[in-house]
Amino acid sequence: EPEVTQTPSHQVTQMGQEVILRCVPISNHLYFYWYRQILGQKVEFLVSFYNNEISEKSEIFDDQFSVERPDGSNFTLKIRSTKLEDSAMYFCASSVLGLSDTQYFGPGTRLTVL
Amino acid sequence: AQSVTQPDIHITVSEGASLELRCNYSYGATPYLFWYVQSPGQGLQLLLKYFSGDTLVQGIKGFEAEFKRSQSSFNLRKPSVHWSDAAEYFCAVAGTASKLTFGTGTRLQVTL
Repeated sequence: EPEVTQTPSHQVTQMGQEVILRCVPISNHLYFYWYRQILGQKVEFLVSFYNNEISEKSEIFDDQFSVERPDGSNFTLKIRSTKLEDSAMYFCASSVLGLSDTQYFGPGTRLTVL
Repeated sequence: AQSVTQPDIHITVSEGASLELRCNYSYGATPYLFWYVQSPGQGLQLLLKYFSGDTLVQGIKGFEAEFKRSQSSFNLRKPSVHWSDAAEYFCAVAGTASKLTFGTGTRLQVTL
């Protein structure tokens, strides 16, 4: 069964450093998402992406964040200058359609900012 | 704005016992509702979803959920819990936009 994959599984970085989290969505999916889950808190929407542009973003997704689909398979989340409060589990998801179609989630990348 | 409340943070049940996890949502129109399960170290797996039609929906692993508009609820049920069901369960709602809004989750512990 096709699945969403994410790398790395765990990333440790120093405050102020740039990180790139990578995702490979399911191949025939057209909509891509990033969510995050701070330890002990609920999963929060960050951004959705369709047709090579952001379709929706939350207030969390400020200028420090960016997303990109650099080729036909990868979908990346970049944090330009990490803060301690960016420490969280980041989940990538994809769906065939938007508008509430089932989103399939990857296993997540745990980001630790020191 | 859409929101989800899961009033139970932690539930413990005995293996073989029935289970009901509560979910209440807030959304102005007919929502799209989901239940996801997260096992330790794993991503979120979809258990079931409600879009329209029959208000009782069946999912994977023997789970079902009932949409009750009058109570703004979408409770998850299973008649007989297995030890492997121990995990965290998230209810989520989506409206006209594609984003999911999750509840805070309910951690299920199963005793043998």
